[in-house]
Amino acid sequence: RKEVEQDPGPFNVPEGATVAFNCTYSNSASQSFFWYRQDCRKEPKLLMSVYSSGNEDGRFTAQLNRASQYISLLIRDSKLSDSATYLCVTEDTGGFKTIFGAGTRLFVKA
Amino acid sequence: DVKVTQSSRYLVKRTGEKVFLECVQDMDHENMFWYRQDPGLGLRLIYFSYDVKMKEKGDIPEGYSVSREKKERFSLILESASTNQTSMYLCASSHLAGGRSNEQFFGPGTRLTVL
Repeated sequence: RKEVEQDPGPFNVPEGATVAFNCTYSNSASQSFFWYRQDCRKEPKLLMSVYSSGNEDGRFTAQLNRASQYISLLIRDSKLSDSATYLCVTEDTGGFKTIFGAGTRLFVKA
Repeated sequence: DVKVTQSSRYLVKRTGEKVFLECVQDMDHENMFWYRQDPGLGLRLIYFSYDVKMKEKGDIPEGYSVSREKKERFSLILESASTNQTSMYLCASSHLAGGRSNEQFFGPGTRLTVL
């Protein structure tokens, strides 16, 4: 079983749609959680950290469910520019070993 | 503006060659990482370093070694390149705060092809 699992997609949605991604992790000792965004042929960049209480940044909302060991990302009012691969990331107790999911591809169409 | 640079964007080598991939960051970060990214597998950690001359194995260290002689520079070495090491190699760095790593900043990547 992979340590971090994501639905690879692709998710094809129209502009303005709301789309949600889930990511499950297997290590209950994971302490930190992140969503990164990777555009085609580019390097990953941090989208947002995921806090226990959930957090929101504009159209993006991230939530953590420790009991079920998953994190989620919700994108409201999708834009064409949201088309990218979204990577779920966890970090172990020691704070150094970072585990990346394989990513979920999103295509937003006009 | 924060910056992580990698020595080459594209590299073609032959089986058995020794390959050096260089990474430099200008953010005075303590932590540096080397990943490879393959379709369907995502980013996999090869090695990381949390201080000069310190290194730790990641998930797939076999066939690789690293060197960190200066804080800003982290090198990945393929002692004898093989075709299964054809991949995209990404370097990253992060600041250590509160005993925990933070946002990782990535370089543009090196696409290595081993023939």
